[in-house]
Amino acid sequence: GAVVSQHPSWVICKSGTSVKIECRSLDFQATTMFWYRQFPKQSLMLMATSNEGSKATYEQGVEKDKFLINHASLTLSTLTVTSAHPEDSSFYICSAREDRGINEQFFGPGTRLTVL
Amino acid sequence: AQTVTQSQPEMSVQEAETVTLSCTYDTSESDYYLFWYKQPPSRQMILVIRQEAYKQQNATENRFSVNFQKAAKSFSLKISDSQLGDAAMYFCAYMRGTSGSRLTFGEGTQLTVNP
Repeated sequence: GAVVSQHPSWVICKSGTSVKIECRSLDFQATTMFWYRQFPKQSLMLMATSNEGSKATYEQGVEKDKFLINHASLTLSTLTVTSAHPEDSSFYICSAREDRGINEQFFGPGTRLTVL
Repeated sequence: AQTVTQSQPEMSVQEAETVTLSCTYDTSESDYYLFWYKQPPSRQMILVIRQEAYKQQNATENRFSVNFQKAAKSFSLKISDSQLGDAAMYFCAYMRGTSGSRLTFGEGTQLTVNP
């Protein structure tokens, strides 16, 4: 149990286009999901906290108009990188916190974004 | 703000030997959780072990155990009988004990296991 999927696993896009990444909790409900960004050989940096039915909470320095987050259901959160540029190339990871109260986050396998 | 520090960017161990990864944290909270995550080359984050701050007993999971020193705010991970599959990046993480709280990660320790 407690499986989180991400789609796509990798994506290559042209500069100026938008890319949507999906994060799904497959066998549990998750009111809260988190989006991280990870550069090579570095730690995970929290970008935003996604809450079902409400606006996401963004970390300081993260552009909310650049990284659009939608958490429309208890099992799905999406991250859209708008007008992507090469500096947005990175590894994006989502995690989901199970609603039944266990304080643990379950991680998706990540999405590698390359912007040409 | 809470911070997590891993002072060992890289560690290596011989297969079948024991290695300890260090982690310190800073918090003013009394209710919190600590975690060690493993990130192999696939980059899938895998939970290795978790410790509730209110528990005095150190958590163990098979070959993995922690030394939780609450007063010193130290949370080290010991890997016994190291295996080649243990080679990965290891992250120490902190979570405040409030429902839905975020994880704060350390910088990570890259562990190499030599055959």
